[in-house]
Amino acid sequence: QSALTQPRSVSGSPGQSVTISCTGTSSDVGGYNYVSWYQQHPGKAPKLMIYDVSKRPSGVPDRFSGSKSGNTASLTISGLQIEDEADYYCCSYAGSYTAVFGGGTKLTVL
Amino acid sequence: QVQLVQSGAEVKKPGASVKVSCKASGYTFTSYYMNWVRQAPGQGLEWMGIINPNSGGTTYPQRFQDRLTMTRDMSTSTFYMDLSSLTSEDTAVYYCARGLAFGNYLEYNLDYWGQGTLVTVSS
Repeated sequence: QSALTQPRSVSGSPGQSVTISCTGTSSDVGGYNYVSWYQQHPGKAPKLMIYDVSKRPSGVPDRFSGSKSGNTASLTISGLQIEDEADYYCCSYAGSYTAVFGGGTKLTVL
Repeated sequence: QVQLVQSGAEVKKPGASVKVSCKASGYTFTSYYMNWVRQAPGQGLEWMGIINPNSGGTTYPQRFQDRLTMTRDMSTSTFYMDLSSLTSEDTAVYYCARGLAFGNYLEYNLDYWGQGTLVTVSS
């Protein structure tokens, strides 16, 4: 069970949009519509931003959206704000009642 | 309000075991699965396993199956994560994290997290 593949870093300017990819296999991302995304600020616990590929928990701004195509899921953040600067992790159900995280992506808001 | 309060930092020698607790409050204990996730210093998140609060049934990834035990105490609404045969690679912050809901694999979406427990393994 290998970690999902994410870019190590992405960046964007305030107001712009950025997309973070998360690539797995047909045994995890591609096999189920159970991908979630987490935001983590330094020294803090992660926060759930997206679940079931594209659903937002209550309180998460609609600037955050998720999608999936084949074995790759994506998180798009539109209208970037300074406070969006954080690490982002994808996670997928991986069968046999297990889950797997991605390696994480550092978002820098320039 | 939902709260997950974990036990304090631990320092262990290689080969020892560690037991981290996670006391849940503010919701019905038996209605939500609990996951455990760890994060080594400067590294990413790693899913360690899940426990059913009703049956106590657990699932762990293959790499942890011979040295990881998750339990719960329904009388105190507390979950426990016990990791044995520690090595320096187990140095990490360990989090308990509640599953979003029961069923439809929503157990694997983690909506509330504990504050984290730093476990340091050093000789």
